[in-house]
Amino acid sequence: GAVVSQHPSRVICKSGTSVKIECRSLDFQATTMFWYRQFPKQSLMLMATSNEGSKATYEQGVEKDKFLINHASLTLSTLTVTSAHPEDSSFYICSASYNPSYEQYFGPGTRLTVT
Amino acid sequence: AQSVTQPDIHITVSEGASLELRCNYSYGATPYLFWYVQSPGQGLQLLLKYFSGDTLVQGIKGFEAEFKRSQSSFNLRKPSVHWSDAAEYFCAVNTGFQKLVFGTGTRLLVSP
Repeated sequence: GAVVSQHPSRVICKSGTSVKIECRSLDFQATTMFWYRQFPKQSLMLMATSNEGSKATYEQGVEKDKFLINHASLTLSTLTVTSAHPEDSSFYICSASYNPSYEQYFGPGTRLTVT
Repeated sequence: AQSVTQPDIHITVSEGASLELRCNYSYGATPYLFWYVQSPGQGLQLLLKYFSGDTLVQGIKGFEAEFKRSQSSFNLRKPSVHWSDAAEYFCAVNTGFQKLVFGTGTRLLVSP
């Protein structure tokens, strides 16, 4: 149980375009979803926390207008990278949790390459 | 602020040998602690977790970890390493607001 999927697994886009990444909890209702960014050979950095039906809470230094997060249902959250630039190239990982739980279940990640 | 330290960036262990990965945390209250494993290009898989109770925690794939409050540590151990254990290992602490703070990770290499 507690499976989280991400789509797409990898995406290549041109500079200036937008790309959407989906995160789904397949067998549970996720009251909270998290988006992380991971640079090569580095740890995960939390970008934002989203609760279903409310605005996401962004970590300090993360541009909320650039990284749009929508948590429209208890099983789906989306991250849209707007006007992507090469420096946005990274590995993006989502996770989900349900109350009351301190455990997060991670998706397989999405490799974004901006050319 | 809460923090997690994994002092070893990478470790090389011979197949069949024992393994210990170190993790120290800084947190004022009793933490919720986790160990995750990540294979290249993959997401994170939970190995084990500590919330309360017995300080020796058993996980999947033959891993265990021991919570030592006096040392603020949560070291991961395995008695006999397999080549398939080669991966990146992350220690993490939950700060009580469901946020996870991760250590910088330890890359495990397994030699024949």
